[in-house]
Amino acid sequence: SQQGEEDPQALSIQEGENATMNCSYKTSINNLQWYRQNSGRGLVHLILIRSNEREKHSGRLRVTLDTSKKSSSLLITASRAADTASYFCATDPGYSSASKIIFGSGTRLSIRP
Amino acid sequence: GAGVSQSPRYKVAKRGQDVALRCDPISGHVSLFWYQQALGQGPEFLTYFQNEAQLDKSGLPSDRFFAERPEGSVSTLKIQRTQQEDSAVYLCASSQVGNYGYTFGSGTRLTVV
Repeated sequence: SQQGEEDPQALSIQEGENATMNCSYKTSINNLQWYRQNSGRGLVHLILIRSNEREKHSGRLRVTLDTSKKSSSLLITASRAADTASYFCATDPGYSSASKIIFGSGTRLSIRP
Repeated sequence: GAGVSQSPRYKVAKRGQDVALRCDPISGHVSLFWYQQALGQGPEFLTYFQNEAQLDKSGLPSDRFFAERPEGSVSTLKIQRTQQEDSAVYLCASSQVGNYGYTFGSGTRLTVV
């Protein structure tokens, strides 16, 4: 079963615009991670935000976390064609020092030139 | 190598055939995970190793699925008597203890015909 639900399931925007994806989850977490997956390839780790953090930045990426609402958002600013991919949130329930992470169903992002 | 390596990249199996999928994690990564990803879905957890110990196999869908990591490095996922519903991409990931994000391989796409 999957812990997270991403919203929207699919998003198409013009190059240069900002893209926002949301993730909701069900149980308490130790941290939440975002991954990118290009078609036919493995997942690439983008950013990790811990349960005691509210916002984190990495280059053009901005992640927020609201543990009271059990939700997170990923913002990609000034989108580029190369950002076209599926984006997944994954939660770490923190049962142990290296427990499994549980993925959501993903958002398919398309950047129009 | 620098990343997680999986082989074969593609595998076509006849229904009822046994298959073995290999994962070479990043050298020194203690934790190793297997995930199954159906088309258009997020990865689903299968099993987790810490060194050679299989600490969690709760995601293995049936007793036809078996994973091992005998020397704490390379891991093999074996599927016996494959069925059509086993068709998916099988992803391997490794991480350091503490879970600062996983590094995924490119996956093995299994098609059962």
